[in-house]
Amino acid sequence: ETGVTQTPRHLVMGMTNKKSLKCEQHLGHNAMYWYKQSAKKPLELMFVYSLEERVENNSVPSRFSPECPNSSHLFLHLHTLQPEDSALYLCASSQEERGGINTQYFGPGTRLTVL
Amino acid sequence: AQSVSQHNHHVILSEAASLELGCNYSYGGTVNLFWYVQYPGQHLQLLLKYFSGDPLVKGIKGFEAEFIKSKFSFNLRKPSVQWSDTAEYFCAVKPGRRALTFGSGTRLQVQP
Repeated sequence: ETGVTQTPRHLVMGMTNKKSLKCEQHLGHNAMYWYKQSAKKPLELMFVYSLEERVENNSVPSRFSPECPNSSHLFLHLHTLQPEDSALYLCASSQEERGGINTQYFGPGTRLTVL
Repeated sequence: AQSVSQHNHHVILSEAASLELGCNYSYGGTVNLFWYVQYPGQHLQLLLKYFSGDPLVKGIKGFEAEFIKSKFSFNLRKPSVQWSDTAEYFCAVKPGRRALTFGSGTRLQVQP
Protein backbone atom coordinates (compact mmCIF):
# COMPACT_ATOMS: atom_id res chain seq x y z
CA GLU A 1 0.00 0.00 0.00
CA THR A 2 1.64 3.20 -1.15
CA GLY A 3 -0.74 6.03 -0.40
CA VAL A 4 -0.85 7.00 -4.06
CA THR A 5 -4.07 6.26 -5.89
CA GLN A 6 -4.79 6.48 -9.58
CA THR A 7 -8.07 6.44 -11.47
CA PRO A 8 -9.13 4.91 -13.66
CA ARG A 9 -7.09 1.73 -13.52
CA HIS A 10 -7.92 0.87 -17.10
CA LEU A 11 -8.95 3.15 -19.94
CA VAL A 12 -9.78 2.46 -23.54
CA MET A 13 -10.25 5.45 -25.77
CA GLY A 14 -10.48 6.36 -29.41
CA MET A 15 -8.12 8.74 -31.10
CA THR A 16 -10.65 11.56 -31.14
CA ASN A 17 -11.61 11.29 -27.47
CA LYS A 18 -10.59 13.56 -24.64
CA LYS A 19 -10.00 11.95 -21.29
CA SER A 20 -8.14 12.67 -18.06
CA LEU A 21 -6.11 10.53 -15.71
CA LYS A 22 -6.23 11.37 -12.05
CA CYS A 23 -3.68 10.85 -9.33
CA GLU A 24 -3.99 11.61 -5.65
CA GLN A 25 -1.37 11.27 -2.94
CA HIS A 26 -2.24 11.06 0.75
CA LEU A 27 1.32 11.30 2.02
CA GLY A 28 1.78 15.04 2.40
CA HIS A 29 4.48 15.10 -0.26
CA ASN A 30 5.57 18.16 -2.20
CA ALA A 31 6.45 16.58 -5.54
CA MET A 32 4.41 14.57 -8.01
CA TYR A 33 5.34 12.85 -11.25
CA TRP A 34 3.88 11.29 -14.37
CA TYR A 35 5.75 8.40 -15.97
CA LYS A 36 5.08 6.34 -19.08
CA GLN A 37 6.04 2.69 -19.02
CA SER A 38 5.89 0.93 -22.36
CA ALA A 39 6.76 -2.68 -23.00
CA LYS A 40 10.46 -3.24 -23.70
CA LYS A 41 11.29 0.48 -23.48
CA PRO A 42 13.00 2.55 -20.82
CA LEU A 43 10.77 4.20 -18.30
CA GLU A 44 10.04 7.73 -19.38
CA LEU A 45 9.44 10.59 -17.01
CA MET A 46 6.87 12.84 -18.59
CA PHE A 47 6.25 15.59 -16.07
CA VAL A 48 7.34 16.63 -12.60
CA TYR A 49 5.78 19.09 -10.24
CA SER A 50 8.31 19.73 -7.52
CA LEU A 51 8.03 22.52 -4.98
CA GLU A 52 5.35 24.00 -7.22
CA GLU A 53 7.63 24.14 -10.24
CA ARG A 54 6.83 22.14 -13.32
CA VAL A 55 9.60 20.32 -15.12
CA GLU A 56 8.80 18.46 -18.28
CA ASN A 57 10.45 16.19 -20.71
CA ASN A 58 10.64 18.09 -23.97
CA SER A 59 10.02 14.95 -25.96
CA VAL A 60 6.49 14.58 -24.58
CA PRO A 61 3.98 15.57 -27.30
CA SER A 62 1.53 18.34 -26.63
CA ARG A 63 -1.42 15.94 -26.76
CA PHE A 64 -0.46 15.19 -23.14
CA SER A 65 -1.18 18.07 -20.80
CA PRO A 66 -0.56 17.92 -17.04
CA GLU A 67 -2.34 19.85 -14.36
CA CYS A 68 -1.43 20.10 -10.71
CA PRO A 69 -4.05 22.16 -8.87
CA ASN A 70 -2.48 21.47 -5.47
CA SER A 71 0.23 19.36 -3.91
CA SER A 72 -2.07 16.35 -3.49
CA HIS A 73 -3.64 16.08 -6.92
CA LEU A 74 -2.22 15.58 -10.36
CA PHE A 75 -4.03 15.17 -13.64
CA LEU A 76 -2.95 14.14 -17.09
CA HIS A 77 -5.27 15.42 -19.78
CA LEU A 78 -5.31 13.42 -22.99
CA HIS A 79 -6.57 14.49 -26.39
CA THR A 80 -6.19 13.18 -29.94
CA LEU A 81 -3.93 10.37 -28.84
CA GLN A 82 -2.27 7.87 -31.14
CA PRO A 83 -2.19 4.07 -30.83
CA GLU A 84 1.51 4.25 -29.90
CA ASP A 85 0.48 6.14 -26.76
CA SER A 86 -0.94 2.92 -25.37
CA ALA A 87 1.06 2.18 -22.22
CA LEU A 88 0.99 2.06 -18.45
CA TYR A 89 0.94 5.57 -17.01
CA LEU A 90 2.38 5.78 -13.54
CA CYS A 91 1.98 8.53 -11.02
CA ALA A 92 4.41 9.02 -8.17
CA SER A 93 5.00 11.40 -5.30
CA SER A 94 7.86 12.20 -3.00
CA GLN A 95 8.98 14.63 -0.35
CA GLU A 96 11.80 16.53 -1.96
CA GLU A 97 14.44 17.55 0.57
CA ARG A 98 17.82 18.64 -0.64
CA GLY A 99 20.49 16.32 0.67
CA GLY A 100 18.03 13.82 1.99
CA ILE A 101 17.29 10.42 0.67
CA ASN A 102 13.66 10.54 -0.27
CA THR A 103 11.61 7.75 -1.67
CA GLN A 104 9.25 8.00 -4.56
CA TYR A 105 5.97 6.25 -3.91
CA PHE A 106 4.27 4.98 -7.01
CA GLY A 107 0.63 4.45 -7.76
CA PRO A 108 -0.62 1.26 -9.39
CA GLY A 109 -0.85 2.90 -12.79
CA THR A 110 -3.50 3.40 -15.43
CA ARG A 111 -3.38 0.96 -18.31
CA LEU A 112 -4.28 3.03 -21.36
CA THR A 113 -5.28 1.55 -24.70
CA VAL A 114 -5.78 3.84 -27.66
CA LEU A 115 -7.76 2.36 -30.52
CA ALA B 1 21.55 14.66 -26.90
CA GLN B 2 21.63 13.63 -23.31
CA SER B 3 21.75 9.88 -22.81
CA VAL B 4 22.10 7.36 -20.04
CA SER B 5 23.83 4.07 -20.77
CA GLN B 6 23.52 0.89 -18.80
CA HIS B 7 25.88 -1.53 -20.43
CA ASN B 8 24.66 -4.70 -18.76
CA HIS B 9 21.18 -5.66 -19.81
CA HIS B 10 21.00 -8.92 -17.91
CA VAL B 11 23.19 -10.00 -15.01
CA ILE B 12 23.07 -13.36 -13.28
CA LEU B 13 24.80 -13.80 -9.91
CA SER B 14 24.87 -16.33 -7.14
CA GLU B 15 23.90 -15.30 -3.62
CA ALA B 16 26.70 -13.60 -1.67
CA ALA B 17 28.41 -12.47 -4.86
CA SER B 18 29.35 -8.83 -5.19
CA LEU B 19 27.41 -6.62 -7.54
CA GLU B 20 28.40 -3.69 -9.68
CA LEU B 21 26.07 -2.27 -12.29
CA GLY B 22 27.45 0.32 -14.65
CA CYS B 23 25.85 3.62 -15.53
CA ASN B 24 27.32 6.32 -17.73
CA TYR B 25 25.78 9.54 -18.92
CA SER B 26 26.62 12.06 -21.55
CA TYR B 27 25.56 15.35 -19.99
CA GLY B 28 28.46 17.66 -19.17
CA GLY B 29 26.95 20.04 -16.63
CA THR B 30 25.78 19.66 -13.06
CA VAL B 31 23.64 16.56 -12.69
CA ASN B 32 21.51 14.78 -10.16
CA LEU B 33 21.82 11.01 -10.32
CA PHE B 34 19.49 8.23 -9.27
CA TRP B 35 19.13 4.51 -9.10
CA TYR B 36 15.67 2.98 -9.07
CA VAL B 37 14.60 -0.59 -8.58
CA GLN B 38 11.53 -2.46 -9.71
CA TYR B 39 10.97 -5.79 -7.99
CA PRO B 40 8.83 -8.34 -9.82
CA GLY B 41 5.20 -7.31 -9.72
CA GLN B 42 5.92 -4.25 -7.61
CA HIS B 43 6.06 -0.52 -8.04
CA LEU B 44 9.21 1.40 -8.80
CA GLN B 45 11.26 2.40 -5.77
CA LEU B 46 14.08 4.85 -5.36
CA LEU B 47 17.25 3.13 -4.16
CA LEU B 48 19.48 6.15 -3.78
CA LYS B 49 20.34 9.48 -5.29
CA TYR B 50 23.20 11.93 -5.55
CA PHE B 51 22.74 15.69 -5.51
CA SER B 52 26.02 17.02 -4.14
CA GLY B 53 28.64 16.39 -1.48
CA ASP B 54 30.16 13.01 -0.76
CA PRO B 55 30.33 11.16 -4.10
CA LEU B 56 29.80 7.85 -2.34
CA VAL B 57 26.10 7.58 -1.70
CA LYS B 58 24.45 4.97 0.48
CA GLY B 59 20.92 3.85 -0.20
CA ILE B 60 18.40 1.41 1.10
CA LYS B 61 18.93 -2.33 1.42
CA GLY B 62 22.71 -2.10 1.54
CA PHE B 63 23.17 -0.53 -1.87
CA GLU B 64 25.64 2.23 -2.59
CA ALA B 65 26.77 4.14 -5.63
CA GLU B 66 29.82 6.20 -6.45
CA PHE B 67 29.73 9.32 -8.58
CA ILE B 68 32.91 9.76 -10.58
CA LYS B 69 32.60 13.05 -12.37
CA SER B 70 35.64 12.59 -14.57
CA LYS B 71 34.23 9.33 -15.89
CA PHE B 72 30.61 10.52 -16.13
CA SER B 73 29.69 7.42 -14.19
CA PHE B 74 27.43 6.48 -11.30
CA ASN B 75 27.87 2.77 -10.74
CA LEU B 76 25.71 0.85 -8.33
CA ARG B 77 27.30 -1.61 -5.92
CA LYS B 78 26.39 -4.09 -3.25
CA PRO B 79 29.00 -6.23 -1.50
CA SER B 80 26.83 -9.32 -1.13
CA VAL B 81 23.61 -9.85 -3.03
CA GLN B 82 20.62 -11.80 -1.84
CA TRP B 83 17.98 -13.71 -3.75
CA SER B 84 15.55 -10.92 -2.83
CA ASP B 85 17.64 -8.45 -4.86
CA THR B 86 16.32 -10.02 -8.04
CA ALA B 87 14.78 -7.08 -9.86
CA GLU B 88 15.26 -4.59 -12.64
CA TYR B 89 17.53 -1.66 -11.90
CA PHE B 90 17.31 1.69 -13.61
CA CYS B 91 19.87 4.45 -13.60
CA ALA B 92 18.54 7.96 -14.19
CA VAL B 93 20.09 11.36 -14.68
CA LYS B 94 18.55 14.77 -14.07
CA PRO B 95 20.64 17.71 -15.27
CA GLY B 96 19.72 20.74 -13.17
CA ARG B 97 16.09 21.58 -13.60
CA ARG B 98 15.71 19.45 -16.68
CA ALA B 99 13.77 16.26 -16.75
CA LEU B 100 14.91 12.89 -15.59
CA THR B 101 16.20 10.49 -18.22
CA PHE B 102 16.30 6.79 -17.54
CA GLY B 103 18.66 4.16 -18.79
CA SER B 104 17.24 1.07 -20.42
CA GLY B 105 17.56 -0.94 -17.24
CA THR B 106 19.53 -3.95 -16.05
CA ARG B 107 17.76 -7.10 -15.11
CA LEU B 108 19.48 -8.75 -12.15
CA GLN B 109 18.81 -12.39 -11.41
CA VAL B 110 20.24 -13.78 -8.18
CA GLN B 111 20.37 -17.52 -7.95
CA PRO B 112 20.07 -19.14 -4.51
